[in-house]
Amino acid sequence: AQKVTQAQTEISVVEKEDVTLDCVYETRDTTYYLFWYKQPPSGELVFLIRRNSFDEQNEISGRYSWNFQKSTSSFNFTITASQVVDSAVYFCALGGSQGNLIFGKGTKLSVKP
Amino acid sequence: NAGVTQTPKFRVLKTGQSMTLLCAQDMNHEYMYWYRQDPGMGLRLIHYSVGEGTTAKGEVPDGYNVSRLKKQNFLLGLESAAPSQTSVYFCASSYAGFRSSYNSPLHFGNGTRLTVT
Repeated sequence: AQKVTQAQTEISVVEKEDVTLDCVYETRDTTYYLFWYKQPPSGELVFLIRRNSFDEQNEISGRYSWNFQKSTSSFNFTITASQVVDSAVYFCALGGSQGNLIFGKGTKLSVKP
Repeated sequence: NAGVTQTPKFRVLKTGQSMTLLCAQDMNHEYMYWYRQDPGMGLRLIHYSVGEGTTAKGEVPDGYNVSRLKKQNFLLGLESAAPSQTSVYFCASSYAGFRSSYNSPLHFGNGTRLTVT
């Protein structure tokens, strides 16, 4: 079975704190793809990153970084020096065998000033 | 460039009524998807299409039908709405399947909030 688990339902931090959003996945595929999406309060879904299973290099984009570890089936997302504008629901997703994306239930991040 | 456009943005239906949600994309994407988002459930795939004239069932297809008569449009139909179909519906499209060599993320519309009373 393919599954994505985001154990953290809600996280609240104060601005400038670092925060890590956890994502654990299950798949039997040897090649697979992982994604992160952001859903701000306005409701739209914004693509953040795609990672292939054969590329285990960590990725950094500005204040965002992603730590992919096949050994623990995890694809965690860290925001450094969080800002109020980072407040959103963040979804981790796994590329499914049907060609679709299988989403986790999301983590709601609240960044307070 | 409009991207993915969903109409309507909001709708209230009574149990048993029917309606069609329209999704239009202007990016010449092959793949289109319909998801529903419910509190605490994340996004779940209803139906999807890998090209004009094709459709396939996703995770939660019951009570919905779809059609992809034109490449740019993907219609989601509810023949007899039920309160359990109260949800936010998202349409998405992508150039190629995510397994392609292209970095082809899903582009989402802004959603349709449907309430069935």
